[in-house]
Amino acid sequence: QKEVEQDPGPLSVPEGAIVSLNCTYSNSAFQYFMWYRQYSRKGPELLMYTYSSGNKEDGRFTAQVDKSSKYISLFIRDSQPSDSATYLCAMIRDYKLSFGAGTTVTVRA
Amino acid sequence: DTGVSQDPRHKITKRGQNVTFRCDPISEHNRLYWYRQTLGQGPEFLTYFQNEAQLEKSRLLSDRFSAERPKGSFSTLEIQRTEQGDSAMYLCASSFIGEKLFFGSGTQLSVL
Repeated sequence: QKEVEQDPGPLSVPEGAIVSLNCTYSNSAFQYFMWYRQYSRKGPELLMYTYSSGNKEDGRFTAQVDKSSKYISLFIRDSQPSDSATYLCAMIRDYKLSFGAGTTVTVRA
Repeated sequence: DTGVSQDPRHKITKRGQNVTFRCDPISEHNRLYWYRQTLGQGPEFLTYFQNEAQLEKSRLLSDRFSAERPKGSFSTLEIQRTEQGDSAMYLCASSFIGEKLFFGSGTQLSVL
């Protein structure tokens, strides 16, 4: 079993819809939680960073962490075609990032 | 541009050849990481440096792989006697202290 599980999708939504992405993890030692966005043939770009349970908002993005359930989510409101990318959840233990497999999202105009 | 820089962006080589990649981290970032990503998967940790010291290596990093970070600045990743299974995107990341890692655009390696 992988330490970080993420549904690879793909996920296709119409423009303006809410995108909901999720990851589960097995190791309670993970302390910091991140979401990265990766466009084709590019490196991952840090979107959201949090270390506590609860919600964190940044513009159209909301990251949610539930440490008791070992579950993290990312919501994208008012999705745009430019949001089409692969979204990777990631978490840190001992200064190493462990990633999910990534969910490919397509926002249809 | 003050982000993480990787060179080359693409490398095509024949099986058995040696290749070397370079990474220039964000200035003043003391930690530098190498990750490998294959199609449809998330990046996998290979190794990391704090300043010039290589502190950890993954068991994924066979003895054909070597990484250096002289003087705690740029880093190189060398793969000797490349195999087709080495074909992947090699990503470099840097951080200050450790929590937020910033990635470069990667080097796409194709071994024929």
